Amino acid sequence: AQSVTQLDSHVSVSEGTPVLLRCNYSSSYSPSLFWYVQHPNKGLQLLLKYTSAATLVKGINGFEAEFKKSETSFHLTKPSAHMSDAAEYFCVVRGGATNKLIFGTGTLLAVQP
Amino acid sequence: DAGVIQSPRHEVTEMGQEVTLRCKPISGHDYLFWYRQTMMRGLELLIYFNNNVPIDDSGMPEDRFSAKMPNASFSTLKIQPSEPRDSAVYFCASSFGEDQPQHFGDGTRLSIL
Repeated sequence: AQSVTQLDSHVSVSEGTPVLLRCNYSSSYSPSLFWYVQHPNKGLQLLLKYTSAATLVKGINGFEAEFKKSETSFHLTKPSAHMSDAAEYFCVVRGGATNKLIFGTGTLLAVQP
Repeated sequence: DAGVIQSPRHEVTEMGQEVTLRCKPISGHDYLFWYRQTMMRGLELLIYFNNNVPIDDSGMPEDRFSAKMPNASFSTLKIQPSEPRDSAVYFCASSFGEDQPQHFGDGTRLSIL
């Protein structure tokens, strides 16, 4: 069965410093992985997706993620945090042969001035 | 592109009342999903449709919940009778094709008193 584990429920960084949000996945075969962001009182917005092409995936707003099969990880990074990055981030795996998305529990990112 | 449109944005009602949530997917998208988000359980897929046909409703919590998609541009999620434990944010999402990312609406925040 497919699953994702987000290793941190809360991350706090200072504006201008790097962001690292960690995600490990479990999958019986090559997975499709996504990162979504949710700002307060809004729906989820796709940041980036991995679908077995390049292992380093670039997304919107300067975010990127690297698929590492040996570590079963798909960590989200950004070189320099901005105040507008404060939100909740979800690591997601597509489940099996269906179009079901399986969501992680989320990481709440706080950005301090 | 108007995005996925949900209504109402907020609903407060008393226990036992019927609640109807509405969703207009992105034009041309052939998949539509209903999710529920709570603090305790995170994001859960309730049901999804392909070309207006329900494909998987295994996530619907009980018979009080029902969903319909009478045409390609409209879907409803109904709860009858509503209970306080149904309080949550309900999201609708749509996608074009099975392998494409899902686009989320801004959600309906439902409070059952």
